[in-house]
Amino acid sequence: EPEVTQTPSHQVTQMGQEVILRCVPISNHLYFYWYRQILGQKVEFLVSFYNNEISEKSEIFDDQFSVERPDGSNFTLKIRSTKLEDSAMYFCASLGVRSEQYFGPGTRLTVT
Amino acid sequence: QKEVEQDPGPLSVPEGAIVSLNCTYSNSAFQYFMWYRQYSRKGPELLMYTYSSGNKEDGRFTAQVDKSSKYISLFIRDSQPSDSATYLCAMSVETSGSRLTFGEGTQLTVNP
Repeated sequence: EPEVTQTPSHQVTQMGQEVILRCVPISNHLYFYWYRQILGQKVEFLVSFYNNEISEKSEIFDDQFSVERPDGSNFTLKIRSTKLEDSAMYFCASLGVRSEQYFGPGTRLTVT
Repeated sequence: QKEVEQDPGPLSVPEGAIVSLNCTYSNSAFQYFMWYRQYSRKGPELLMYTYSSGNKEDGRFTAQVDKSSKYISLFIRDSQPSDSATYLCAMSVETSGSRLTFGEGTQLTVNP
């Protein structure tokens, strides 16, 4: 069964550094998403992406964040200058034909 | 008032029990309702997906939506220790592209 994959599974970075989180959505899906989950808190929407542009973004998704689909399979989330409060699980999701969202296993980002 | 409210538990039941998980919401524009299961430090796994009001059954799982009361439920029959996880309700306004709004999640333990 096709699934969303994400790399790396765990990323440790120093405050102020740039990180890129990678996702491979399910083939033939057209909408892609990033969510984050701070430890012990709810899953929060960051951004949705369709047809090579941002469809919607939340107030969390400020100028420090960007997304890109650099080729036909990858979907990336970049954080330009990480802060301690960016430490969280980051989940990529893609939209199925019945409008259901399938999530990847997540990348745990630790900012020190 | 939170858009989506979910009792975080924890909920502990004996094996074989019927489990009832619930969410309430305030945004009457929500049309699509989902239940996800999440194991510790893993990605949300889609369990059930329903549109508008009504019931949906899949094996031991039944999802109910009551839009008039802004209330959704997930029932698990004959619960198993492998059902031990955090259960997240999620909902969205439209079909393609809409963000999911999640509840806090209910932590369930099924004891053998």
